[in-house]
Amino acid sequence: QSALTQPASVSGSPGQSITISCTGTSSDVGSYNLVSWYQQHPGKAPKLMIYEVSKRPSGVSNRFSGSKSGNTASLTISGLQAEDEADYYCCSYAGSSTHVVFGGGTKLTVL
Amino acid sequence: EVQLVESGGGLVQPGRSLRLSCAASGFTFDDYAMHWVRQAPGKGLEWVSGISWNSGSIGYADSVKGRFTISRDNAKNSLYLQMNSLRAEDTALYYCAKDMGSGVIRWDAFDIWGQGTMVTVSS
Repeated sequence: QSALTQPASVSGSPGQSITISCTGTSSDVGSYNLVSWYQQHPGKAPKLMIYEVSKRPSGVSNRFSGSKSGNTASLTISGLQAEDEADYYCCSYAGSSTHVVFGGGTKLTVL
Repeated sequence: EVQLVESGGGLVQPGRSLRLSCAASGFTFDDYAMHWVRQAPGKGLEWVSGISWNSGSIGYADSVKGRFTISRDNAKNSLYLQMNSLRAEDTALYYCAKDMGSGVIRWDAFDIWGQGTMVTVSS
C-alpha cells in the first residue's frame, strides 16, 4: 500500500480536462508545499511535470497545472491530447525521517 | 546532453549482494543531490535512498534501511547503491535520479532520470 492515495485510473476525451487527486496526511502533503508530479509512458523513465505543488519545469506544457488543499494535491491536465495517455505519480516530502513518499500511480486513458 | 546511465543490475540469489552504479554527464555532478528510485514489475514508483552533494545528508526508505548503502564519488561523477541481504521483494527496475536542488538536498523533486537497471532476486 502506497503512502499517498491516487485513483487507479481516470479517463477523458481529447480536448477535455481531467484532474488526478493525491491524498496524503498532515505528515506529508499537508505539511509541506513540496509535492511533485511525474508522467511515465510505458517502458520509459518518469518525467517531472510539476514541482513545489504548482511550478512547471522548463519545457512542460502549460496544459499541466497543480494545486493543493489540505492533505490533498491535484494535477489538472487541460485540452487533453492523445500523447497525455500515460501513468501519473504524485510525490511528497515527508519529513526528515521518512523523507519521500510516492502515490500508487494513476493510469490516464485518452478516449 | 544531461544524462544518467545505470549499470550493475542482474539476476542474484536471495541473501546475496549487488552493487549498482550510475554515471552522470552533462551537468555539474557535485552540485546536486542524487537518489535511487525503484519500480517493481507492473507496480508504482518507490523512493529507495538519497544522498546530498557532499554525502553529508543521507536517507533510506524503511524497506531497505540497514541493508542498502548509498554513496557517491564526485571525482568520477558516479553514484552507487550497495545492496546486501537481497530479498525477492527487492526485484525491480532501479532508477538513478537527479535532485532538482543545487547545493541542498530537496528530497521532493527529481528532474533527470536514467533508463534504469533491472535487479531480479530469485533462486
